[in-house]
Amino acid sequence: AQTVTQSQPEMSVQEAETVTLSCTYDTSESNYYLFWYKQPPSRQMILVIRQEAYKQQNATENRFSVNFQKAAKSFSLKISDSQLGDTAMYFCALTRGSNYKLTFGKGTLLTVNP
Amino acid sequence: SAVISQKPSRDICQRGTSLTIQCQVDSQVTMMFWYRQQPGQSLTLIATANQGSEATYESGFVIDKFPISRPNLTFSTLTVSNMSPEDSSIYLCSVIQGGTDTQYFGPGTRLTVL
Repeated sequence: AQTVTQSQPEMSVQEAETVTLSCTYDTSESNYYLFWYKQPPSRQMILVIRQEAYKQQNATENRFSVNFQKAAKSFSLKISDSQLGDTAMYFCALTRGSNYKLTFGKGTLLTVNP
Repeated sequence: SAVISQKPSRDICQRGTSLTIQCQVDSQVTMMFWYRQQPGQSLTLIATANQGSEATYESGFVIDKFPISRPNLTFSTLTVSNMSPEDSSIYLCSVIQGGTDTQYFGPGTRLTVL
């Protein structure tokens, strides 16, 4: 079985500052993928960033980047220059390479304050 | 990525009744999934919708309660049968397009059972 743990139920950050959300996972697979999704109050699940486990280079998407530590099974999300629109629930998720089923963490509620 | 729509966006239903939720994609997709998100919780996979055959259900979910159809590569339905207040949740469909490993989500259906 694979598990995803997000230890920060809530976080807040001031607009324009940087914040890091934590995620740890456990899997026995060697081929897997990691994702961060955001869910604003509109409830739409939006893909933020993805990381292939076999790639050592950390993924980046504009203001969003990850710190992927494979040996430690850690996958944190850094948001730079936080914006009010970043306020959302953020979910870390893991999928095996073969069956695509997503396992989600419990989520971190991020509030960006003006 | 594919454009995914769900109908209805929300509904309020009486216990003992059934509701069918539709998921429509604007292009052919390889895989379709149905998730449940109970209030304040993370997402849980209900089943994988298989085109032209019976869906594959996860532990704790059964076909009699959550019948699923997928008649073609762009459309699927999830029925929540004999509803009780415990079925009050957001139901989301997701898709994977060929050649990728990333799931994209529909906007979700918010169901309230009285």
